[in-house]
This record gives sequence, C-alpha cells and structure tokens, in this order.
Amino acid sequence: DTGVSQNPRHKITKRGQNVTFRCDPISEHNRLYWYRQTLGQGPEFLTYFQNEAQLEKSRLLSDRFSAERPKGSFSTLEIQRTEQGDSAMYLCASRPEGTEAFFGQGTRLTVV
Amino acid sequence: AQTVTQSQPEMSVQEAETVTLSCTYDTSESDYYLFWYKQPPSRQMILVIRQEAYKQQNATENRFSVNFQKAAKSFSLKISDSQLGDAAMYFCAYRSYPYNAGNMLTFGGGTRLMVKP
Repeated sequence: DTGVSQNPRHKITKRGQNVTFRCDPISEHNRLYWYRQTLGQGPEFLTYFQNEAQLEKSRLLSDRFSAERPKGSFSTLEIQRTEQGDSAMYLCASRPEGTEAFFGQGTRLTVV
Repeated sequence: AQTVTQSQPEMSVQEAETVTLSCTYDTSESDYYLFWYKQPPSRQMILVIRQEAYKQQNATENRFSVNFQKAAKSFSLKISDSQLGDAAMYFCAYRSYPYNAGNMLTFGGGTRLMVKP
C-alpha cells in the first residue's frame, strides 16, 4: 500500500496522559500536514512541514502539542497532558509540490 | 484569513438523480485553488475535483462537475446519476496559490449526502 499511513487508528487515553501519533507519508512527498477534525466538522489545520522543516503552526496548536518530522520522512504528533477537548480525529496528509493532498485514514483519539 | 462556508448540513438524493452541493468562500486573494473532497464512513478523505481560480472553464470529472463563480465566490458541486457509493460527507476546501503565504487547506463544515435507493 503506497498511501498515507497513520498509526494507531484508535487511541483511548486517560486525561493527563501523553499520546503520540505517527504518520508515514507517500514516499517522496516533501510536504506533510496535520489536521484535527472534531465530530461533524471539517478538518482544521494544525501544522505543516516541508521536508524536515516545520514551516507553519496554527494557533490551535497549543504548547501541549508538538510535531516533528526527522529526516523529512515520517512525522509524529505528540500531545502532552491530554484533555477531554483533545478528543478528535487527527488527520495526516502529504503532497508533492504542485498537486493535491492525499490523506491518511486518521487516528481517532478519545480522552476519558 | 480565508473562510469556507457550506450552508447545507445534509442533502438527500434519489439514486440516478442529480444533486448540487453549495459552497461559498471569502478571500482577498486573486489566485487560489478550490477543491471538493469526499469522506466516506471509513473516514479517508478522497479528492473529487479541483478548480484553479485563473481558469474560467468549470472542472469536470466523470459524473462530477463544478459551477465556479469567481465574482460571487461560489463553488458548487454537481453530482449526476447519483450512485449509492456517493453517500458520504463532502467538504469544500480552499488553498492559496503556491507562492502566497500558507499552503494548508481551509475546509468548510461539510455536507452529508444521503443517496436513497
């Protein structure tokens, strides 16, 4: 499968715990995006990488959120001290320059 | 900042009929892209159709076509000969032209399309 891969697909965590999600983009896609989607809403942009450089961060990305893309390949999104309001679907997308984005299936986070 | 609005939370269509989903957007930019994405219950977002703002001709992809009205900032999606597999959430999205600030997609709130057999 050469699509965007996200793991885990589902994560249930207790409030206050840290969680980390992983995204493997399509090979050779230099641009990678994280979005958050709450139930019944459209995705909202969180952050953007071009290769290994994090070029944009949304104001939605509080200091409890951190994202990395070492070596410009896979990316991780970590949420520290999770809160119930963090419950959402976290989507990853990648694209090469000049074309549309391809999305992964997402990681559904439930904070209890 | 750009905003995208989808005023129809839900739409219903009979199989084989035609349905139009509405989208309006607000921007001060002159060059940009507009997209319609489909999100089936499995939740992987799939691109349906794309329109470049500098092109006057409306984009078409098989049964899917758009009505792009740049002056009115309107971008509707028409689905012809609707099929059961078209049932999904549909999102309208905006992206700035590559050399402007920002490369992310700005999405509308979505329209849930139901297809009746």
